[in-house]
Amino acid sequence: NAGVTQTPKFRVLKTGQSMTLLCAQDMNHEYMYWYRQDPGMGLRLIHYSVGEGTTAKGEVPDGYNVSRLKKQNFLLGLESAAPSQTSVYFCASSLRDNYEQYFGPGTRLTVT
Amino acid sequence: KNQVEQSPQSLIILEGKNCTLQCNYTVSPFSNLRWYKQDTGRGPVSLTIMTFSENTKSNGRYTATLDADTKQSSLHITASQLSDSASYICVVSNQAGTALIFGKGTTLSVSS
Repeated sequence: NAGVTQTPKFRVLKTGQSMTLLCAQDMNHEYMYWYRQDPGMGLRLIHYSVGEGTTAKGEVPDGYNVSRLKKQNFLLGLESAAPSQTSVYFCASSLRDNYEQYFGPGTRLTVT
Repeated sequence: KNQVEQSPQSLIILEGKNCTLQCNYTVSPFSNLRWYKQDTGRGPVSLTIMTFSENTKSNGRYTATLDADTKQSSLHITASQLSDSASYICVVSNQAGTALIFGKGTTLSVSS
């Protein structure tokens, strides 16, 4: 039981490049979330999904897109990376709404 | 405005000593309050979740208290260990897991 895994662990992008972050969970959780964590700030929700095939915007969705084609996977895309998107990205999942959230190990993204 | 404030921002204690971290919130409506531990370079790990009706909850050497009237919570760590060195994050839910309000965290350093 791996829990929540994230790929890649580190990435450096140039401004304007695109990339996709992959999150996978093996706990059969319905809900999945993408957060970003910046120095001196609390985690902020980017997008979330309440089930396979669904996505919704969180607090800071601009510049990101997501997809949940399979229940166990939640993808976060950056179409045209900007330096302001330099951050640590965490994926999380929960069995149902407002239940305990389990976090992945994070992806450290630097945009130059 | 929904906010979660934690104090102190950082704390240094000697191994074996006890410490208490504080969390004040202005979130309304209130659903539950969570404490997470985040080791450097890792994702947050849940320590406790408390609902309105719970005023204390323990997880090993960690004991969380909640006063819903004054909107305050504390996390008490007993007989600290070097492995307790981490950031401790207070999180409040206002009825949905997709609406968590994260504090900025307290960084605890335990020295020998």
